[in-house]
Amino acid sequence: EDKVVQSPLSLVVHEGDTVTLNCSYEVTNFRSLLWYKQEKKAPTFLFMLTSSGIEKKSGRLSSILDKKELFSILNITATQTGDSAVYLCAVYNTDKLIFGTGTRLQVFP
Amino acid sequence: DAGVIQSPRHEVTEMGQEVTLRCKPISGHDYLFWYRQTMMRGLELLIYFNNNVPIDDSGMPEDRFSAKMPNASFSTLKIQPSEPRDSAVYFCASMRGYEPDTQYFGPGTRLTVL
Repeated sequence: EDKVVQSPLSLVVHEGDTVTLNCSYEVTNFRSLLWYKQEKKAPTFLFMLTSSGIEKKSGRLSSILDKKELFSILNITATQTGDSAVYLCAVYNTDKLIFGTGTRLQVFP
Repeated sequence: DAGVIQSPRHEVTEMGQEVTLRCKPISGHDYLFWYRQTMMRGLELLIYFNNNVPIDDSGMPEDRFSAKMPNASFSTLKIQPSEPRDSAVYFCASMRGYEPDTQYFGPGTRLTVL
């Protein structure tokens, strides 16, 4: 059975800290891995990763994929209270996304 | 484009009543997905359509749930009869084929079954 596992489930940090969120997967017909941010509404797209070892960056967020070890990490540096959200990892196989349960990040001032 | 449109945004109903959730996908998107999200189970895929045809409904919890897509611009998810355990946020999303980074979610319908 296809599965996507995220860790930790929950994370509490102070502003300015750096965090690393993990996503491992076992999915047949892997095509790409995506990261989403979900605040009190619908998930919004952050990154899509298709190739191993190539880092994607957007401001303080970055992500990388390891297709040999079947995992990805999402890094957030110099966290801000606005980074507080649930971060979802999803794997795209042939035509659908398989989501992990998410990591809830809380950033306190 | 207005994005994915869902209605209603909130629904409160009593156990046993029929509930119909509606979705208008982004024009030009040929995939449509229905998800359910709860604290306990996270985001679950219920069913998805390609070119208005249901492809995989293995996530539909039971026969009380049904979904239709009569045309490229409209889909419904129906629960009949509803039960308290159906309380959740239901998201609709649409996507252009083979381009997962084009999957956009609607704002969701928060369903409460009393």
